[in-house]
Amino acid sequence: AQTVTQSQPEMSVQEAETVTLSCTYDTSESDYYLFWYKQPPSRQMILVIRQEAYKQQNATENRFSVNFQKAAKSFSLKISDSQLGDAAMYFCALVDSNYQLIWGAGTKLIIKP
Amino acid sequence: DSGVTQTPKHLITATGQRVTLRCSPRSGDLSVYWYQQSLDQGLQFLIQYYNGEERAKGNILERFSAQQFPDLHSELNLSSLELGDSALYFCASSVQGRAGNTIYFGEGSWLTVV
Repeated sequence: AQTVTQSQPEMSVQEAETVTLSCTYDTSESDYYLFWYKQPPSRQMILVIRQEAYKQQNATENRFSVNFQKAAKSFSLKISDSQLGDAAMYFCALVDSNYQLIWGAGTKLIIKP
Repeated sequence: DSGVTQTPKHLITATGQRVTLRCSPRSGDLSVYWYQQSLDQGLQFLIQYYNGEERAKGNILERFSAQQFPDLHSELNLSSLELGDSALYFCASSVQGRAGNTIYFGEGSWLTVV
């Protein structure tokens, strides 16, 4: 069975600082895709970043970047220059061979002004 | 704006009643997913349709049913509602439902059962 684990229920960071959210996963697939989604207090589910497992280069989207370690099955999200609007639940997810998203439990990110 | 449209945004109904939630996927997306998220919970996958056909079923109760129509919009029917069905129901869509296609979410339909 494929699993996604987020070991940090909650993280806090000072505004303008950098924070890294951890995610590990387990899959027997060789070709898979990983995602980070953000869910702010409005509860909308927003795609943050996507990584194809066959790509060695880490994905980057503006202030958001990932550290993808395929051998270690690790997929952490780094948020640079944290802003108040980054406060949200962050979910790591894996798409499995049945086209389903396997979700982590989420990490609540608190931004301190 | 993800391009996935859900209606209604909010709904309050009594126990025992039936409601229908509607979803229009992004233009060009053939696959539709339904998820349930209760307060302070993660997302529970309910069901997926691809081009009108059921593709995968998750933890969907027998009181719930869904379908995808020829124009690709989808409806989730919830019947004999119970207090525990109060939740945020998300619809999501992707291009072909293949692994790797990004799944985009609508804003959700808030259901409150009283």
